[in-house]
Amino acid sequence: DTGVSQNPRHKITKRGQNVTFRCDPISEHNRLYWYRQTLGQGPEFLTYFQNEAQLEKSRLLSDRFSAERPKGSFSTLEIQRTEQGDSAMYLCASSFQLAEATDTQYFGPGTRLTVL
Amino acid sequence: AQSVTQLGSHVSVSEGALVLLRCNYSSSVPPYLFWYVQYPNQGLQLLLKYTSAATLVKGINGFEAEFKKSETSFHLTKPSAHMSDAAEYFCAVYRSTLGRLYFGRGTQLTVWP
Repeated sequence: DTGVSQNPRHKITKRGQNVTFRCDPISEHNRLYWYRQTLGQGPEFLTYFQNEAQLEKSRLLSDRFSAERPKGSFSTLEIQRTEQGDSAMYLCASSFQLAEATDTQYFGPGTRLTVL
Repeated sequence: AQSVTQLGSHVSVSEGALVLLRCNYSSSVPPYLFWYVQYPNQGLQLLLKYTSAATLVKGINGFEAEFKKSETSFHLTKPSAHMSDAAEYFCAVYRSTLGRLYFGRGTQLTVWP
């Protein structure tokens, strides 16, 4: 078990560019989450997948954001036409959810995005 | 609605002193509560979780937390601080129907030698 991995760890881009982040969850975990963390704040939920299905999206996830988990394994988060306000740490977490049980989410190291 | 309040954005203690990080929650249903720790430029590491079993929960690195329903609190403690405990600590409540964690704003712990 190698834990949750995220790539890249750091991304610097110019305003208006598109960026894509990748998350590889812990093997066999059926749930995958994306959170965003800005300086001085706790992580805020963006979206999550159960296998390949995207079950919920936060209002924070504007139309410029899209996430996929094509085969129920890794996931990508794309931000189109980046804005300076998108600068943040993007965290991925995964868990194994059994019916009616409380899953524990394990976090990756995050991707720090800086939009110039 | 779920929310988490962490009292004190910064806590400083001397090495060997008691660590107390405060967390109060609001939840419309019995909560599932978590404490995570974050070291600089890293993701979050689970310290401990409460899932309605024992009210006193023991975690990693000597930390523990006590669930007090009457006070809607889930404070994190450690009897003796170590320099390596310096980090940011987040309390979170889990809402199972939506599958999401709601985090507090975090408490930065500084440990002085």
